[in-house]
Amino acid sequence: NAGVTQTPKFRILKIGQSMTLQCTQDMNHNYMYWYRQDPGMGLKLIYYSVGAGITDKGEVPNGYNVSRSTTEDFPLRLELAAPSQTSVYFCASRRDQQASSYEQYFGPGTRLTVT
Amino acid sequence: QKEVEQNSGPLSVPEGAIASLNCTYSDRGSQSFFWYRQYSGKSPELIMFIYSNGDKEDGRFTAQLNKASQYVSLLIRDSQPSDSATYLCAVGGVTDKLIFGTGTRLQVFP
Repeated sequence: NAGVTQTPKFRILKIGQSMTLQCTQDMNHNYMYWYRQDPGMGLKLIYYSVGAGITDKGEVPNGYNVSRSTTEDFPLRLELAAPSQTSVYFCASRRDQQASSYEQYFGPGTRLTVT
Repeated sequence: QKEVEQNSGPLSVPEGAIASLNCTYSDRGSQSFFWYRQYSGKSPELIMFIYSNGDKEDGRFTAQLNKASQYVSLLIRDSQPSDSATYLCAVGGVTDKLIFGTGTRLQVFP
C-alpha cells in the first residue's frame, strides 16, 4: 500500500510554462484534495474532488485546473506559471464523508519554483 | 471568511515539560477539529482529532475542545526533542473541506 504518491518531487519552471503535478492514491478513497503551502504558512486548498468526475474550487483556485477521471488519480494543471505559484504542493485523500474517516492522508509534496 | 488562528511561535519548552498549543476558530458551525504535526520539509501527519467538547487523551497527547469559546488546544506531556515540529490546527464544518491555521513551531530543548 503506497498511500498517496506525488510526482515530481521538485520542479523549476520558467514564467509562462505549463506543467501537471501528478497525484495517485491506492486506498480507494473517494475524496481528494490539492493544497499549496507557502513558507511559514498553513495549507491553502486549491481544488478538491468528492469522486470521479466531480471537482470543486477551494480557497485559491486561480491559475490552476484539475480533472478526476478515475478514483485513483487527481492531477493538478498549472497553465502559464507565475512566480506567485512558487510553493510546496500537497495532495491528500480521505475515504468518505463519515466523521470516523475524516483523516486526510497526505502525499510527500512537490516543491515548485517559478523563475 | 472562515479563519483558524494560531500563534506562530516558536514555543520553546525544556525536555520533560508540558507544551501547550492553542487554536481559535471563527466558524461556530465547525464540527471537527484536528491537530497535524509537520516536520521541516515533510508532509503533515495527523496526531489527534476531537469532535466533542472536553478532553481527549492519546498517549502523551491531549486535545481539548471548548466550542462555546471556539477554542481548541493540544497538550504534549513529557515533551521530547523529537516533538520539535510545526503543529497545524485544522477545522472542518458541514462541508468536505478543512481550514488550516498557519501553525505553531514548537522547539523542545534538552
